[in-house]
Amino acid sequence: GQNIDQPTEMTATEGAIVQINCTYQTSGFNGLFWYQQHAGEAPTFLSYNVLDGLEEKGRFSSFLSRSKGYSYLLLKELQMKDSASYLCAVTDSNYQLIWGAGTKLIIKP
Amino acid sequence: GAVVSQHPSWVICKSGTSVKIECRSLDFQATTMFWYRQFPKQSLMLMATSNEGSKATYEQGVEKDKFLINHASLTLSTLTVTSAHPEDSSFYICSARDQEREPYEQYFGPGTRLTVT
Repeated sequence: GQNIDQPTEMTATEGAIVQINCTYQTSGFNGLFWYQQHAGEAPTFLSYNVLDGLEEKGRFSSFLSRSKGYSYLLLKELQMKDSASYLCAVTDSNYQLIWGAGTKLIIKP
Repeated sequence: GAVVSQHPSWVICKSGTSVKIECRSLDFQATTMFWYRQFPKQSLMLMATSNEGSKATYEQGVEKDKFLINHASLTLSTLTVTSAHPEDSSFYICSARDQEREPYEQYFGPGTRLTVT
């Protein structure tokens, strides 16, 4: 079956760095997405990886290793507004998005 | 670009009535739209995939006669919750995929919060 695993919840301190991991097992692979979702709102796009390596975008970076079925989202210089759920999603061979359950990130002052 | 709207943003209805939710892609054509449901503190659950001009594909456990999906144009899909019950109260989110633009990410609407009394 298809499976995406990510931690349920993480806590970090304002100004610090946090890494949210995601491992996946899917039928085929056509890219991995990270989305941010604040409580009561729809998800918003953060990043996309289809090749191995690190993609940096401001305070956020995303890494992919296809051979390991592994990705992480790195958030630097954490701000209180970064408190949200972070969703990992993989596009399978049919271009269907397979969603992880999300990681709730709690930022403490 | 790539804006998706949803209407209404919230709705309260009585048990047994039907509610229609609209999802529009405002600046691109979406041959494929997706309908999700999200209960409090839970992840997104895909309900169905809607393809323009054809019948929707429903996920296992989703009643197609209860959740009617119509995707009559490249910019509009509708979800009708028929004979709504309190357990249908949830956050319904649509997304649309721009087939002309890789990496085919899904653009999400703002969601519709449905409360059935």
